[in-house]
Amino acid sequence: DSGVTQTPKHLITATGQRVTLRCSPRSGDLSVYWYQQSLDQGLQFLIQYYNGEERAKGNILERFSAQQFPDLHSELNLSSLELGDSALYFCASSVDGGLNEKLFFGSGTQLSVL
Amino acid sequence: AQSVTQLGSHVSVSEGALVLLRCNYSSSVPPYLFWYVQYPNQGLQLLLKYTTGATLVKGINGFEAEFKKSETSFHLTKPSAHMSDAAEYFCAVSGLGGSYIPTFGRGTSLIVHP
Repeated sequence: DSGVTQTPKHLITATGQRVTLRCSPRSGDLSVYWYQQSLDQGLQFLIQYYNGEERAKGNILERFSAQQFPDLHSELNLSSLELGDSALYFCASSVDGGLNEKLFFGSGTQLSVL
Repeated sequence: AQSVTQLGSHVSVSEGALVLLRCNYSSSVPPYLFWYVQYPNQGLQLLLKYTTGATLVKGINGFEAEFKKSETSFHLTKPSAHMSDAAEYFCAVSGLGGSYIPTFGRGTSLIVHP
């Protein structure tokens, strides 16, 4: 058990809808990362937060947004969903987002857009 | 831009045989290097990492990797494969271009035959 909790584990929804994915980082970790894993794109970095502030942005679509709350949990919001958004979304955490830090991954949320 | 290349999307070995998973990165400056493993229906977990110092890095479950600067490689090996090693393996790189964010390779699926 990595200590990172993601909910829900599975999500099935329709095109055009909006969903929220939730992540609770490991106790004591200040940095949260969101990654999208798909067969054609592999593991793609979306966004990173550190202690409530956005620190880095990757290949995140404008339809997607995220935030990290004062209690350090994070939410990833996906709106106007398209079929191509179907993927496994991972949250990871680390102590302070340093260069050589180990990431602790949650088990992921499997999103299916029908 | 930094990139990570894993040669072979699938590697098949017999139980007891040598495991070799290849990873090359594109950079003139040695980055920080990681190997992660993903078992079915789980998140990624760290196998080992190279930061500085000894170029041969030992990880969990009998795996090790050698950093070769001249070849810009960080191949993962295990002398004797076990059935439980069947999983997806990801090479990751961080520390280039001012980015603290790990960039992951496309992954290599290790198949172990009895």
